[in-house]
Amino acid sequence: GAGVSQSPSNKVTEKGKDVELRCDPISGHTALYWYRQSLGQGLEFLIYFQGNSAPDKSGLPSDRFSAERTGGSVSTLTIQRTQQEDSAVYLCASSPKTNTEAFFGQGTRLTVV
Amino acid sequence: QKEVEQNSGPLSVPEGAIASLNCTYSDRGSQSFFWYRQYSGKSPELIMFIYSNGDKEDGRFTAQLNKASQYVSLLIRDSQPSDSATYLCAVPYSGTYKYIFGTGTRLKVLA
Repeated sequence: GAGVSQSPSNKVTEKGKDVELRCDPISGHTALYWYRQSLGQGLEFLIYFQGNSAPDKSGLPSDRFSAERTGGSVSTLTIQRTQQEDSAVYLCASSPKTNTEAFFGQGTRLTVV
Repeated sequence: QKEVEQNSGPLSVPEGAIASLNCTYSDRGSQSFFWYRQYSGKSPELIMFIYSNGDKEDGRFTAQLNKASQYVSLLIRDSQPSDSATYLCAVPYSGTYKYIFGTGTRLKVLA
């Protein structure tokens, strides 16, 4: 596709349920990033992939959060046993290589009720 | 703690004026710097990047970098109401691959 694609655009889930968020990066981009943005707040780094490897998972808030990337392309962010504080917009970005310009998807707005 | 700092604003400028947005960073080893624009309810959109000291111009936008003083700025000439948004400064920190974002400066261009 022409840009970074994220799905779903919106997700409402009940507290305690698991959710999967998907990111399809720009074709050929080797670096992929996940960020979280709570209402009115800045961007919080979650995890970074170079190819299929995740050298830096330091931003994952708890062990309920995990992410994977397969085939150097699509990435999935999984949140287990969701809590209300997980409600936020989850943003994915990709770049051709590390430390170059990154392009964002439209985000997934997650609401935990 | 590696940080990127921006004044949260709002910065209000009249239409047609120059808007000046500033960002400071703490990691002297950083080599690349990015400015994103984020409209309310939308995702960040890349508008400028700069790697070398000095100025880089792209249309109405000019990015300025001073590595010795550890600041990067964005000038918007002939500001338009459509420029009203939050502007985020992003710095990939040396030794890591994560972009650290400032909290953003909210710009309001008054018609």
